[in-house]
Amino acid sequence: GIQVEQSPPDLILQEGANSTLRCNFSDSVNNLQWFHQNPWGQLINLFYIPSGTKQNGRLSATTVATERYSLLYISSSQTTDSGVYFCAVEPWKSSASKIIFGSGTRLSIRP
Amino acid sequence: NAGVTQTPKFRVLKTGQSMTLLCAQDMNHEYMYWYRQDPGMGLRLIHYSVGEGTTAKGEVPDGYNVSRLKKQNFLLGLESAAPSQTSVYFCASTAGYQPQHFGDGTRLSIL
Repeated sequence: GIQVEQSPPDLILQEGANSTLRCNFSDSVNNLQWFHQNPWGQLINLFYIPSGTKQNGRLSATTVATERYSLLYISSSQTTDSGVYFCAVEPWKSSASKIIFGSGTRLSIRP
Repeated sequence: NAGVTQTPKFRVLKTGQSMTLLCAQDMNHEYMYWYRQDPGMGLRLIHYSVGEGTTAKGEVPDGYNVSRLKKQNFLLGLESAAPSQTSVYFCASTAGYQPQHFGDGTRLSIL
């Protein structure tokens, strides 16, 4: 089956820094989602981005489907950005909109 | 609009006991899913449903059963709980080719 790899696995930054998180996938996909899991365990939808670039405030995401990767950019990090960021892909031949999760990037923002 | 609601939020069971986790969504979504999340890992699909009265196995279905008697509800059952089923369980729903929306999770411990 499709492999979803996220890097780096852990990232520690000072407040105000910028960061780039990467998601590589091994096969064609119908779509890709980025999630933020906050310290309370809630999964928050950030982006639904099968291709192209989207921006939402300090966050933006770019998916290059032909090269099988997606990037999540966080600018001017705040302590509330801490948590685990997951990408999840729906494989090209998947039925029922099933998605496969990567293992996540744990981001810690120091004040 | 509550979105996806999971009950209970926490539960402790003894080995061999049974229980049912309830997921309810008010978005009229056709597709619903149950995932488990183990420490340091992404989510893995247990079972899913493409509509009322239908269910199917996901990646890790052993030891679990599900039912979707009403479109808005998706139940996950553990017939004889085992310590290996200690995990955080998430329910999600989608209309298909749309983002998946997640509940807040159920933290389950099996002693």
